[in-house]
Amino acid sequence: NAGVMQNPRHLVRRRGQEARLRCSPMKGHSHVYWYRQLPEEGLKFMVYLQKENIIDESGMPKERFSAEFPKEGPSILRIQQVVRGDSAAYFCASSPSTGLSGELFFGEGSRLTVL
Amino acid sequence: EDQVTQSPEALRLQEGESSSLNCSYTVSGLRGLFWYRQDPGKGPEFLFTLYSAGEEKEKERLKATLTKKESFLHITAPKPEDSATYLCAVQAAEYGNKLVFGAGTILRVKS
Repeated sequence: NAGVMQNPRHLVRRRGQEARLRCSPMKGHSHVYWYRQLPEEGLKFMVYLQKENIIDESGMPKERFSAEFPKEGPSILRIQQVVRGDSAAYFCASSPSTGLSGELFFGEGSRLTVL
Repeated sequence: EDQVTQSPEALRLQEGESSSLNCSYTVSGLRGLFWYRQDPGKGPEFLFTLYSAGEEKEKERLKATLTKKESFLHITAPKPEDSATYLCAVQAAEYGNKLVFGAGTILRVKS
């Protein structure tokens, strides 16, 4: 009965490299959310996806960031040409339906450090 | 302008010393207000959902209440294991399905 699985837990990249963060939702969950948490700040919404569809990407930076949730496999958050300001904890959450209950199940996060 | 504001930023309590955390919000068309707990190095864990003013929810030493502009998380006779960051989030018509989180209150309970 695994929860939301994120990997890697820790990732170190140099400026200009690419970072790929993966998220496997809980079994039976078809809705995935990505949030970013900077030190001493709250969680900031990035993107909401259902299988093969991006529903809301209003929190995604316009450049360098992309997300997908394919029919098979985990959701991927991709950051191209990383900069130091991208250093943060990235959390994935899943829900079984539209998430209108607000009960999201979070993973333990992927902590990205950009040198 | 922040839509969700939590206070205090940090709170230190002695074991058994009851207190309250505040979450105020300025959104319109509130669909729900949610409390989460986050331990260091972990993801947030869901605690409560409140939908309408006057509603209350309880779980062990925690009780959450909601008014038209704010919510309180009351902690009665806290224990050291209650130490964590408590996050408040709102879901509103203007935001669709996503949750908008406050910055959190860091609670430390000393024995």
